Amino acid sequence: GQSLEQPSEVTAVEGAIVQINCTYQTSGFYGLSWYQQHDGGAPTFLSYNGLDGLEETGRFSSFLSRSDSYGYLLLQELQMKDSASYFCAVNNRDDKIIFGKGTRLHILP
Amino acid sequence: EAGVTQSPTHLIKTRGQQATLRCSPISGHTSVYWYQQALGLGLQFLLWYDEGEERNRGNFPPRFSGRQFPNYSSELNVNALELEDSALYLCASSTSAGYNEQFFGPGTRLTVL
Repeated sequence: GQSLEQPSEVTAVEGAIVQINCTYQTSGFYGLSWYQQHDGGAPTFLSYNGLDGLEETGRFSSFLSRSDSYGYLLLQELQMKDSASYFCAVNNRDDKIIFGKGTRLHILP
Repeated sequence: EAGVTQSPTHLIKTRGQQATLRCSPISGHTSVYWYQQALGLGLQFLLWYDEGEERNRGNFPPRFSGRQFPNYSSELNVNALELEDSALYLCASSTSAGYNEQFFGPGTRLTVL
């Protein structure tokens, strides 16, 4: 079958660093995307990893290990506005798009 | 540049009725995706249209259908509505090759009574 697993909730302190993990099981894996969704808002694209390694975009970085079927989103210098849900998503060779159930990030002042 | 737009914002129907939801993609985008977001279940992939053709569909019954028009806008139809169809329906668009970076609309909140 096809599935993605990510923690349901993560709590961190303002100014700190937090890592949100995502493990996947799918055939014909193409790549891993990350989206952010604030309460009442639409998901917004954060990053994409098609190859192994780290992609950096400002305070956000995303990592992929295809051999481990694993990726993570790293958020640095956390700000209160980063409180949101974060989704990982995979595309595979069957043109299926699968989203994880999302990780709710709580940030404490 | 205008983003993805969806209409209506809210839709209230009764069980057994039909619902039609509409989506206009970002100019230049030819792919449109539909997702269902029910409380606590994340985003469930419904349909993917590209260049007017259905490219793929998720694990939903046939009463969920749609189409894409020549101007790349799209419509999602849900027939024989059931209570569990109550959810936020999100539309996203991308370039044909850019399915890894999708741009989402604000969604249509469908409530089935």
